[in-house]
Amino acid sequence: KNEVEQSPQNLTAQEGEFITINCSYSVGISALHWLQQHPGGGIVSLFMLSSGKKKHGRLIATINIQEKHSSLHITASHPRDSAVYICAVRLPTASKLTFGTGTRLQVTL
Amino acid sequence: DAGITQSPRYKITETGRQVTLMCHQTWSHSYMFWYRQDLGHGLRLIYYSAAADITDKGEVPDGYVVSRSKTENFPLTLESATRSQTSVYFCASMDNGGGTEAFFGQGTRLTVV
Repeated sequence: KNEVEQSPQNLTAQEGEFITINCSYSVGISALHWLQQHPGGGIVSLFMLSSGKKKHGRLIATINIQEKHSSLHITASHPRDSAVYICAVRLPTASKLTFGTGTRLQVTL
Repeated sequence: DAGITQSPRYKITETGRQVTLMCHQTWSHSYMFWYRQDLGHGLRLIYYSAAADITDKGEVPDGYVVSRSKTENFPLTLESATRSQTSVYFCASMDNGGGTEAFFGQGTRLTVV
């Protein structure tokens, strides 16, 4: 079983829809990262969370440390949001990140 | 330009050849990482470095060698390339401490024929 599980693996939405991507992890962590990767592109850091909630534009990330769960929300989705969204956790005793396998999002007109 | 850059972006090499992928960051971040990304596996850690002259194995280190003589550079060498090493390779850097973001290079797409 992977230490980091994401759901769903694939997601198709229509423009304007509210989107939620989930990430669950099985170990204690010091931080959780949400990353975005466009097709054929590099990886961009969206959020780093250790507690609570963060918002940037139409993106919102939340984390519940007790439940070992985080969500990434996209409000008013747009085709340019089409990408792979990756959750990664950082363990308290290590500097390295452990990654989920990603959620492929496609937003259609 | 500030940031983290990888070179080359694309590389085709033959089985058995040695190939080096370069990674350079301008922030003087302590930590640098090499990952490979394959379908169905997500990102897997090959090697990482906590500082100059300090390196450690990750999840999938076999067939790879790294060095870090300077803080800003972290080259990854495939000593004798195999077809199973065909992948997209990402370099990343992160400053010390638990509350810092990770920054990724644009990736190197390596094909071993």
